[in-house]
Amino acid sequence: GAVVSQHPSWVICKSGTSVKIECRSLDFQATTMFWYRQFPKQSLMLMATSNEGSKATYEQGVEKDKFLINHASLTLSTLTVTSAHPEDSSFYICSAGRQGREVIQYFGAGTRLSVL
Amino acid sequence: GENVEQHPSTLSVQEGDSAVIKCTYSDSASNYFPWYKQELGKRPQLIIDIRSNVGEKKDQRIAVTLNKTAKHFSLHITETQPEDSAVYFCAASRNNQGGKLIFGQGTELSVKP
Repeated sequence: GAVVSQHPSWVICKSGTSVKIECRSLDFQATTMFWYRQFPKQSLMLMATSNEGSKATYEQGVEKDKFLINHASLTLSTLTVTSAHPEDSSFYICSAGRQGREVIQYFGAGTRLSVL
Repeated sequence: GENVEQHPSTLSVQEGDSAVIKCTYSDSASNYFPWYKQELGKRPQLIIDIRSNVGEKKDQRIAVTLNKTAKHFSLHITETQPEDSAVYFCAASRNNQGGKLIFGQGTELSVKP
């Protein structure tokens, strides 16, 4: 149990285009979903937290108009990188929180974004 | 703000030896401490976790200890194997933050055969 699917796994795009990344919890309903960015050999940097049907909560320094998050259902959240530029190239990982005694995060496989 | 410090950043051991990774946290209200293993290019996977009402938890070759007074917790891997090579992240959270995790910086463990 606790399977999280993230697509696409790899995307290459031209500068100025927008890219949408999907995160789905396949066998459980996620109370909350989280979006991270990870640079090579570094830790996971939380970008935003999203709850179904409400606006995402962004971490300090993360541009909400640049990184649009939609959480349409308890099993699907999307991250759209708008007007992508080379500096947005990174590894983006989502996680879905499953409620138990505490919320446990289960991670997607990540999306490698390369902006040319 | 809340912070989790993790040491060492890199750790190299011989196969069969033990490995210990240590973390300290700043938020005294933290009550849940998971450990994730991330192999190169793959997703972080939960390997063990501990709650604040427990001092130690063991699962086969992996154990975690928690010292609430000192605000630190450690991961212990015994009889290490080459497949244990990965980056390990500790994290801390508290109940009223909806599962938001504060991650440590990560430890790159290398087990040499």
